[in-house]
Parts: sequence; C-alpha cells; structure tokens
Amino acid sequence: AQSVTQPDIHITVSEGASLELRCNYSYGATPYLFWYVQSPGQGLQLLLKYFSGDTLVQGIKGFEAEFKRSQSSFNLRKPSVHWSDAAEYFCAVGVASSASKIIFGSGTRLSIRP
Amino acid sequence: DVKVTQSSRYLVKRTGEKVFLECVQDMDHENMFWYRQDPGLGLRLIYFSYDVKMKEKGDIPEGYSVSREKKERFSLILESASTNQTSMYLCASHPIGITGELFFGEGSRLTVL
Repeated sequence: AQSVTQPDIHITVSEGASLELRCNYSYGATPYLFWYVQSPGQGLQLLLKYFSGDTLVQGIKGFEAEFKRSQSSFNLRKPSVHWSDAAEYFCAVGVASSASKIIFGSGTRLSIRP
Repeated sequence: DVKVTQSSRYLVKRTGEKVFLECVQDMDHENMFWYRQDPGLGLRLIYFSYDVKMKEKGDIPEGYSVSREKKERFSLILESASTNQTSMYLCASHPIGITGELFFGEGSRLTVL
C-alpha cells in the first residue's frame, strides 16, 4: 500500500528566508505526487503536481518541487517566503489505477517569523 | 466555477445517533472521496468511489459506510456515532484518472457528545 511521510510537524522560518518542506512516499510504481496548502480557516488548494517528465515542477505562489526517484522524495521549496505563506502544507500521492486512490501525509505547519 | 457542496458545515450529535453527511459535486466527476482531518494526522481517507454504486475502502473505514446512488452525490454514514468520530470531514472529487486536482468541499465539522 502506498504511504506518505512528512517528517516535520512544524517549521518556523524568517520572512525572506528560503524554505524546504520534506515529503517521502512509498509506492511500488511511479507515483503521481501533489502538494496542497491549507491556510487557516480555508480549504485545500493545489500548489503543484508531478506525473511524469521534468522532475522539477513549478507551482503557484512561487513554489517548486523536485521529484527524486532514488530517494522516494518530493520536497517542496520556495526561495523567499512571505508572511502570507504561513499555513499547513500537505503532500499527497496518487495510485495510477481506475480507482484513483489519493493518500495524504500528516502535514507540516509553517510559521513565519517577522 | 467548479463546486463541491457539503450539506452541513457544523453538526452536533449524540453518541449512538446515526449521522448522514452529504456531498454533491456539479462537475460530472467520476471519482469522489471522503477524508477526515485531525490535527497532527493530516487527511485520512475513509472511503472513495470511482463510479455510481462503486466504492472502495480507504485507510480508516471502520465505523463508516458510504452510498453513491447518483454520480453527483456521495454520502458518508456513521451508523452509530462515537466520540472518537468527532472530526472535520472533507469531501472531494476529481475526474477519471488522477491527472486532475482534487476539488474539496468546505468541510463538515462533526462533534459527537
């Protein structure tokens, strides 16, 4: 069965600093990978997704993520964070089948230090 | 604009009551999902459905059942609510295959007393 691990429960970074949120997955075949963001009191919004091709994918709000098959990772990065990036971030993996099961990680809460 | 609508934003029920959570999507999506979201645990998949009357268990199906009689509607049922089912419940949908993003409803916050 597939699974997703986000090892960092809570991260605090200073405004303007760079950010990397870690995500590791477990799945036998090539996974479909996603990052979602949930701002306080808001619904989930898709940041970016990877299905195939270029392993570095660009998303909205200046985020990017890199798929590394050898490390089973799909880490999210941003070169310079803004106070509005404070939110909870979820990594997710999809199973390529007719059932299209999508599993989420436990999330990483990002706080921004002024 | 795409829309996933959950019928109740907030519910308070008593232990042992039967609870129905309704979700309707207007995008003609084949796939629909129910997740529960708890602090520190992220979103955990309860059930999903890939077609009318078709369903599969997710990671935490115990204590829940689902119904999908029409393509646009996916219901989550708690046959006998318990306090450990107090949670935020999120419905989502996406079209066949998984290249598309999940579209989420606003959530239903259930409190079981």
